[in-house]
Amino acid sequence: DIQMTQSPSSLSASVGDRVTITCRASQGISNSLAWYQQKPGKAPKLLLYAASRLESGVPSRFSGSGSGTDYTLTISSLQPEDFATYYCQQYYSTPLLTFGGGTKVEIK
Amino acid sequence: EVQLLESGGGLVQPGGSLRLSCAASGFTFSSYAMSWVRQAPGKGLEWVSAISGSGGSTYYADSVKGRFTISRDNSKNTLYLQMNSLRAEDTAVYYCAKDRATAGPNGYMDVWGKGTTVTVSS
Repeated sequence: DIQMTQSPSSLSASVGDRVTITCRASQGISNSLAWYQQKPGKAPKLLLYAASRLESGVPSRFSGSGSGTDYTLTISSLQPEDFATYYCQQYYSTPLLTFGGGTKVEIK
Repeated sequence: EVQLLESGGGLVQPGGSLRLSCAASGFTFSSYAMSWVRQAPGKGLEWVSAISGSGGSTYYADSVKGRFTISRDNSKNTLYLQMNSLRAEDTAVYYCAKDRATAGPNGYMDVWGKGTTVTVSS
């Protein structure tokens, strides 16, 4: 099974900050990576897929990069509505999917 | 509007059974693979099961293999998850989710339901 490790598990940031979240796979996943945002009590929302492709309707301040085993999600200028938990998910071994443990972005 | 609506959750004793449903609308249901993903209280997301658009192929996480069965009725635009031999560790919110692309499973999901809560406790 492919394991996904996210870091940090939580972070505190201010509105306007640049935020970076890292996701590492236990083996190469060839950019088969999605990022989701989840707010308390709500379903996850797809932000990016194929590591860097922005889902329709998602603000351009969200971006993704990486290759091989290491991937990042960047929020260029944190907005109040961005405080949430973010998950990476590999689909290289689809349909057997695995998620990272999540990164909670909190207000500083 | 594309929508998924889960139902069927509730409180069940260990060893019991429950059947979840997910009603889909706003898209050609049979063209898309579907998945169930769960989230235990205060924990992260865990993929549970997936099914191809035709229903001919099914897939399970090791944690539920042999106990859960995924199925779909394309004439009713409905996805199901039959859960047997339930354990305390199956307690979670269960989401159904639609593959973003057709001809899947592709593995990334663009539409999610609001979830239904399953509690396994005596």
